[in-house]
Amino acid sequence: AQSVSQHNHHVILSEAASLELGCNYSYGGTVNLFWYVQYPGQHLQLLLKYFSGDPLVKGIKGFEAEFIKSKFSFNLRKPSVQWSDTAEYFCSVKAGNQFYFGTGTSLTVIP
Amino acid sequence: GAVVSQHPSRVICKSGTSVKIECRSLDFQATTMFWYRQFPKQSLMLMATSNEGSKATYEQGVEKDKFLINHASLTLSTLTVTSAHPEDSSFYICSARDSLEGEKLFFGSGTQLSVL
Repeated sequence: AQSVSQHNHHVILSEAASLELGCNYSYGGTVNLFWYVQYPGQHLQLLLKYFSGDPLVKGIKGFEAEFIKSKFSFNLRKPSVQWSDTAEYFCSVKAGNQFYFGTGTSLTVIP
Repeated sequence: GAVVSQHPSRVICKSGTSVKIECRSLDFQATTMFWYRQFPKQSLMLMATSNEGSKATYEQGVEKDKFLINHASLTLSTLTVTSAHPEDSSFYICSARDSLEGEKLFFGSGTQLSVL
């Protein structure tokens, strides 16, 4: 069965630290890739998406992600996190006619 | 881990018919479930929040009479697209909140609705 793995369930960082959240998927065909964020008390927001083209995708709020096809990965990065980045982050893959979501990574940024 | 089952995965229907989509939490109780819609190459759009035993809360611009939501049990929420039209063709995705696991959110795999 297809799946999406987010290896880090809970990450705690100090402000200004760099962030990388892992996302791996198991599907050999063409995929569309997404990262979503859910801030406390709010609904999902799209951070960035990849459909084709440049595998390094830049999103909102300084986030970026790199699609590495050979590794089936789409890791999310931010060079310097802020306290306001504290949230739940979800990786999502559209493969064929199905969507698959990771179980989420909870990020806590300490001021 | 917790699993959310969404059925059907794909449905094709004629214009004017109604389509029911089910979202089940398989190994946890979900007092709150969410329904989203995704247009091609766009973000998930929250349609409504479904609360067990009470009326759903719809987002602005979502027609509650067209998208009927029922959350009659702690493990099942249904979305019925009534009198479907071609413009309702989209992906519909549900998610469920596990209140016993720190309010974690788990997602169904989506339903592709095509209205002819």
